[in-house]
Amino acid sequence: DGGITQSPKYLFRKEGQNVTLSCEQNLNHDAMYWYRQDPGQGLRLIYYSQIVNDFQKGDIAEGYSVSREKKESFPLTVTSAQKNPTAFYLCASSPAGPRETQYFGPGTRLLVL
Amino acid sequence: AQSVAQPEDQVNVAEGNPLTVKCTYSVSGNPYLFWYVQYPNRGLQFLLKYITGDNLVKGSYGFEAEFNKSQTSFHLKKPSALVSDSALYFCAVRGGLTGGGNKLTFGTGTQLKVEL
Repeated sequence: DGGITQSPKYLFRKEGQNVTLSCEQNLNHDAMYWYRQDPGQGLRLIYYSQIVNDFQKGDIAEGYSVSREKKESFPLTVTSAQKNPTAFYLCASSPAGPRETQYFGPGTRLLVL
Repeated sequence: AQSVAQPEDQVNVAEGNPLTVKCTYSVSGNPYLFWYVQYPNRGLQFLLKYITGDNLVKGSYGFEAEFNKSQTSFHLKKPSALVSDSALYFCAVRGGLTGGGNKLTFGTGTQLKVEL
């Protein structure tokens, strides 16, 4: 997990509430990613960013939003439009380039009250 | 489109015996292949990757993987399993001709259980 921090470890969301998950990296990586993990489904890509002030939708972006104002930070907001937000959320980062390895943070578990 | 299949949801092996976790893939162009391990309620840890060159890749904690282009496979292996190897293992692929940055596609994971 080294070099990538995610907070909080657990997060509770009420109906109709937006919540923001934090992801910070000190590895000087250009690219950052958000994945959602559900049991038996592996990891699915929500959003990714290859450079500051730019990001692209992944496979399941609906109900989520991101920003990339700093190289080190890539926060994910789970909006009220996401009807089934209960999952384990993983942030990753990597140097630029298709041969590079993605490194993961420790994850945030989001639960709905 | 790129895809990964991990055909076994769970693999059971006795400590000291060799283990294999299977992975097959489909991509456009040359594949870049990765194995990760996940312990409960933790993030993924990188084990090894194949980019080019020798088909046998050695990684962390005594794991290795064999790239087989004709069978489009990248099976993870270890000569002698340890109880501490019990975890969830993910195979991932990225195609060399895939656009859109460094998008990885993950398999659904294989739970490895090593018993005494």
